[in-house]
Amino acid sequence: GNSVTQMEGPVTLSEEAFLTINCTYTATGYPSLFWYVQYPGEGLQLLLKATKADDKGSNKGFEATYRKETTSFHLEKGSVQVSDSAVYFCALSDPSNTGKLIFGQGTTLQVKP
Amino acid sequence: GAVVSQHPSRVICKSGTSVKIECRSLDFQATTMFWYRQFPKQSLMLMATSNEGSKATYEQGVEKDKFLINHASLTLSTLTVTSAHPEDSSFYICSATGRQGQETQYFGPGTRLLVL
Repeated sequence: GNSVTQMEGPVTLSEEAFLTINCTYTATGYPSLFWYVQYPGEGLQLLLKATKADDKGSNKGFEATYRKETTSFHLEKGSVQVSDSAVYFCALSDPSNTGKLIFGQGTTLQVKP
Repeated sequence: GAVVSQHPSRVICKSGTSVKIECRSLDFQATTMFWYRQFPKQSLMLMATSNEGSKATYEQGVEKDKFLINHASLTLSTLTVTSAHPEDSSFYICSATGRQGQETQYFGPGTRLLVL
């Protein structure tokens, strides 16, 4: 079946450190891949997405590249800020085109000043 | 663009009462809306998919008589938790897509339900 696996958190970093949150997926067909961010007490916000292999999604200094050969979509940021503290969810779109999203379990990022 | 709102943001109710949560797409027409439930420190669990003008499709294990979903217009879907019990306390989040088959879902800010 289709699934998403994220690295377990929490991830704790100092401000300006480099961030990587690993995400791997299993899917039949050719899904689109997404990163969503959830700030405390809020709903999810789309951070970035990629719709086909080798596409790079980027937004607010975050990047992720759709790697079909390694079935991965790792999230990276060169220099994190305290305001990046949140829960990050990797997701893939259901390849059978139902519009559903399949989420990973989420990774909590805590950035300390 | 692509803003989704939810109302109320928080609700506390007594056991046995019903609670209605609204989900609105403010600046686009949402042909499909999704309802999720999120437990503390866990991922989102899809409850149902709602297409405008048709009955909702519920995920396995979700009681359709317990969680009534109505999607009467292209900008509004409602989730009614009927005869709520403490175990229904959770964070309920809706999302919407702009047209059939569009992949990007835009999420509402969520509704925190506490059943006493």
